Amino acid sequence: QVQLVQSGAEVKKPGSSVKVSCKASGVTFRDYGVAWVRQAPGQGLEWVGGIIPIFGTIIYAQNFQGRVTVTTDESTDTAYMELTGLRSEDTAVYYCARTNLNVLPSIWGQGTLVAVSS
Amino acid sequence: EIVLTQSPGTLSLYLGERATLSCRASQSLPRNNLAWYQQRPDQAPRLLIYGASNRATGVPDRFSGSGSGTDFTLTITRLEPEDFAVYYCQQYGTSPIFGQGTKLEIK
Repeated sequence: QVQLVQSGAEVKKPGSSVKVSCKASGVTFRDYGVAWVRQAPGQGLEWVGGIIPIFGTIIYAQNFQGRVTVTTDESTDTAYMELTGLRSEDTAVYYCARTNLNVLPSIWGQGTLVAVSS
Repeated sequence: EIVLTQSPGTLSLYLGERATLSCRASQSLPRNNLAWYQQRPDQAPRLLIYGASNRATGVPDRFSGSGSGTDFTLTITRLEPEDFAVYYCQQYGTSPIFGQGTKLEIK
C-alpha cells in the first residue's frame, strides 16, 4: 500500500527550529519529488517548498526563503522539512506529498501539527 | 508572481445538483499546469484533476475540469454527500501556488 507517514506533533518556542520527517512506504522518492504544504488553523493551503532529487531541483516559496530547508534521504525513502526562526504565525499542519517530476503533489501524508507558543 | 483567485468563496447547493467552481489566474499558466484538490474536514487534500482536465486515478467521472490560459473550471455533476468539502486550485511546476479555496456546502 502506498503511503507517506509523517512524524508526530511538535510544540516549539518562538525563535527555535523544527524538523518534520516524511517516510514513504510502498513508494519511493528516487524517481519523483517531494513537496511540503502547510495549513494554518482555519486557513487555506500554502506552498512551502519542494525538491526533485533526480534533477537536483529545489523550489522554495518566497515567503520562506532563508528559513526553510527540504531534503531527502534516498537510502531510507525519507524526506525532511526544517523550518527555523519559528514564530507564532508558523503554527500550522505541515503536509508532505510525493510529486511527479513537474512538482504536482499526488500522494499526501497525514499531516504534522507544529504549534509555536511561548 | 501568479495569483490564483477562486470563486465563489462559498457555494450552497442541494444533493443531486451541479456545482461549477472557478479559478482565475493573473497570468496565463504555462502548459495548463493547473490542478484541483478536494479537502474534507480533518483530512489531507486529495488530487482530483491535473493538467486542467485530466482526472486523477480513482476520481469519479462526475468530476471534470476544463479551461486554459487564465480561466479554469471544476464541474461536479449530481452532487453526493461526500462531495461537500473545500476545493483548491493549484498552479504546479516552477512557481507552485494555491488558490484560496471554495467551500461547497449542503443547502
